[in-house]
Amino acid sequence: RKEVEQDPGPFNVPEGATVAFNCTYSNSASQSFFWYRQDCRKEPKLLMSVYSSGNEDGRFTAQLNRASQYISLLIRDSKLSDSATYLCVVNTPPLNKLSFGAGTTVTVRA
Amino acid sequence: DAMVIQNPRYQVTQFGKPVTLSCSQTLNHNVMYWYQQKSSQAPKLLFHYYDKDFNNEADTPDNFQSRRPNTSFCFLDIRSPGLGDAAMYLCATSRDLTGEDYEQYFGPGTRLTVT
Repeated sequence: RKEVEQDPGPFNVPEGATVAFNCTYSNSASQSFFWYRQDCRKEPKLLMSVYSSGNEDGRFTAQLNRASQYISLLIRDSKLSDSATYLCVVNTPPLNKLSFGAGTTVTVRA
Repeated sequence: DAMVIQNPRYQVTQFGKPVTLSCSQTLNHNVMYWYQQKSSQAPKLLFHYYDKDFNNEADTPDNFQSRRPNTSFCFLDIRSPGLGDAAMYLCATSRDLTGEDYEQYFGPGTRLTVT
């Protein structure tokens, strides 16, 4: 089983729509969770860290469900500029290595 | 201002000809990483340095080596590139290996082509 699994998508949504997707992780001892955004042929950039209580940053909301071992990302009021691949990143004890999912592609259309 | 810089951005090398990719950082972070990313795949960690301590991933081929002469610089050496080594190579840094200090900052990557 992969350490981090994501639905690759693509999620094709109209501008202004809400889109949400999950990421599951295999190691119940994982402590740090992040969402990164990666544009085509560019480097990943940190979108947000995911905290136990869930957190929001503008139109983006991240949730953590430890019992079911998944994190989610919700994007409200989608913009064309939100089109990207979203990478789920989880630390993997005991070596504290970060494991990346293969990404979920979101395409926002006008 | 660029915080993690990678040179060159594009590198073409011949099959079997050694190549070196470079990375520098202005963040003064303790940890530097090298990832390999192929199309539509997750970045794959090759190795990382915590300060001067080198940590190799178990499945990183011996063909890949790294050097970190000081805090700011880290190099990836590919001793005998094969066609399968063509990929984007990403350098990243983090302040530490715990909690929010684990947030990684990526350079723009070097796209390696092997002919």
